[in-house]
Amino acid sequence: AQRVTQPEKLLSVFKGAPVELKCNYSYSGSPELFWYVQYSRQRLQLLLRHISRESIKGFTADLNKGETSFHLKKPFAQEEDSAMYYCALSPNNAGNMLTFGGGTRLMVKP
Amino acid sequence: GAVVSQHPSRVICKSGTSVKIECRSLDFQATTMFWYRQFPKQSLMLMATSNEGSKATYEQGVEKDKFLINHASLTLSTLTVTSAHPEDSSFYICSARWPGFNEQFFGPGTRLTVL
Repeated sequence: AQRVTQPEKLLSVFKGAPVELKCNYSYSGSPELFWYVQYSRQRLQLLLRHISRESIKGFTADLNKGETSFHLKKPFAQEEDSAMYYCALSPNNAGNMLTFGGGTRLMVKP
Repeated sequence: GAVVSQHPSRVICKSGTSVKIECRSLDFQATTMFWYRQFPKQSLMLMATSNEGSKATYEQGVEKDKFLINHASLTLSTLTVTSAHPEDSSFYICSARWPGFNEQFFGPGTRLTVL
């Protein structure tokens, strides 16, 4: 069975500082990896997915199959980035069924 | 586009009663919807996959007779918590899969409190 681990429950940084939210996974096949974000009092929404290789709101994430990681990075954090971030995995050919990590709360201080 | 609604947003019920939660895809047809459960300060746990026109697929440890799922149309899935008990109190979130895009869109969630 697949598993997603986010080792940090809380990450607090100052505005303008670099941010890295860690995500490690275990799965025997070739998964699809996602980052979801939940801003205060809003619903969960997709931030980015590894297959699209995009940068969304300044965030990037690279899938490292050797280290089974999909860390989320941003060079300069903004206060509006404060939110709950969830890493998620979809097994290949599983109809988009998602397994979520425990989530990391990012707090960006002014 | 791609809006998913849930109703009600919060419900309080007495122990032993049944509660129905609706999940609707407002501007697209979803053959597959998902139901998650989220305890306070914890992550989302997939409960079941709801397939239009067929039986839901439940995750291990989820009682199918306790959590009844009906996906009778391409825009509506319902989750009924039968004979609810205080331990069923939680935040229930649904999502709908955008067909062909392998992406889920989430509802705002329903907070259930069982007294």
